[in-house]
Amino acid sequence: LAKTTQPISMDSYEGQEVNITCSHNNIATNDYITWYQQFPSQGPRFIIQGYKTKVTNEVASLFIPADRKSSTLSLPRVSLSDTAVYYCLVGDREGQNFVFGPGTRLSVLP
Amino acid sequence: EAGVAQSPRYKIIEKRQSVAFWCNPISGHATLYWYQQILGQGPKLLIQFQNNGVVDDSQLPKDRFSAERLKGVDSTLKIQPAKLEDSAVYLCASSLSGAADTQYFGPGTRLTVL
Repeated sequence: LAKTTQPISMDSYEGQEVNITCSHNNIATNDYITWYQQFPSQGPRFIIQGYKTKVTNEVASLFIPADRKSSTLSLPRVSLSDTAVYYCLVGDREGQNFVFGPGTRLSVLP
Repeated sequence: EAGVAQSPRYKIIEKRQSVAFWCNPISGHATLYWYQQILGQGPKLLIQFQNNGVVDDSQLPKDRFSAERLKGVDSTLKIQPAKLEDSAVYLCASSLSGAADTQYFGPGTRLTVL
């Protein structure tokens, strides 16, 4: 069961780029890396998923080094509405090893 | 596309009472999950269904929690009897296939056990 480690909290200012790093030293060959975002009183929402190198969508980028023991979620030009908890998960395609950690609480300040 | 529906949104019960939560996943999604989220923590998977079969229930406290997914669509999660430590938000999610596919979460049911 791959375990992830993330910073408990981060602060940023509007307009800045935010990078949240997740460590997953025991990631298995078949594991994917997925990030979710959760606002208060809502369920988590999918942000991005990747296996290796770099993935980019309209919301974020995900950087995964060659050894895949860590990954970095990059949020460009954050706004106040990006204040949320961000979770990093690793798991295989069968999905039986997906575990949510405590997440990173991002606070975006004006 | 309709999202994952859950009811009720809030529930307050006394310890030792029973409670049931209902979830209707997104149409066509084969996989359904129930999570427990205690305040300040990440969601903890309780049970995962693939169609109407259980894939993973290793963290379900089976002495008091039960879940079923009739006909591979709707699902109910029951707690009987409830304990104080069961106070949490119960989230239902669904995905097209496995958990590596995007999971779509419902709004959750906030349970308070007094």
